Amino acid sequence: AQKITQTQPGMFVQEKEAVTLDCTYDTSDPSYGLFWYKQPSSGEMIFLIYQGSYDQQNATEGRYSLNFQKARKSANLVISASQLGDSAMYFCAMREPSSGSARQLTFGSGTQLTVLP
Amino acid sequence: GAGVSQTPSNKVTEKGKYVELRCDPISGHTALYWYRQSLGQGPEFLIYFQGTGAADDSGLPNDRFFAVRPEGSVSTLKIQRTERGDSAMYLCASSPSGGTQYFGPGTRLTVL
Repeated sequence: AQKITQTQPGMFVQEKEAVTLDCTYDTSDPSYGLFWYKQPSSGEMIFLIYQGSYDQQNATEGRYSLNFQKARKSANLVISASQLGDSAMYFCAMREPSSGSARQLTFGSGTQLTVLP
Repeated sequence: GAGVSQTPSNKVTEKGKYVELRCDPISGHTALYWYRQSLGQGPEFLIYFQGTGAADDSGLPNDRFFAVRPEGSVSTLKIQRTERGDSAMYLCASSPSGGTQYFGPGTRLTVL
């Protein structure tokens, strides 16, 4: 089974509008972390936001917020007031103890966001 | 401060050749990771270092791949007898132990 599922290969949003990028995950560990990264065409993965499984409140970082619904195993990224520079690939990732000592990230397949002027 | 750096940014080689990819992590970060990203996919884990030792190399696809981190800082990913299927973006990330991983700009490897 897929650990991280991103069902939207591509999304379009008008500049200054808000957009939600979907992410669902699958784990049996009670303790895990969820991350969102942005990857522009240059290739670098840029860390955006983190949510721990025990965090009571949804994470926020500037224009980014994470809509964490634990029972539904979803961790959607909300970008408010979209800017042209937000056009990029967005990846959801999970870190879980059962991945071993490495605690490596498991990534979804990504969503290509295009912001329209 | 300086982020993770990777060199070269692009590497084109011929099938069968040997290549080395270098990663310079954020100063003070003890954990270092290598990932491989094929076109249109998310990165996949290759190997993890905690300090100087390879603590988990379970993601390496075969014995043509090897990585070292001799002094606990810079790491080199080595690929022997390259194959066309090795063509991908190779990403390095570092973190304080157990913390958020910060990625470098990647090395795009093309095997002709």
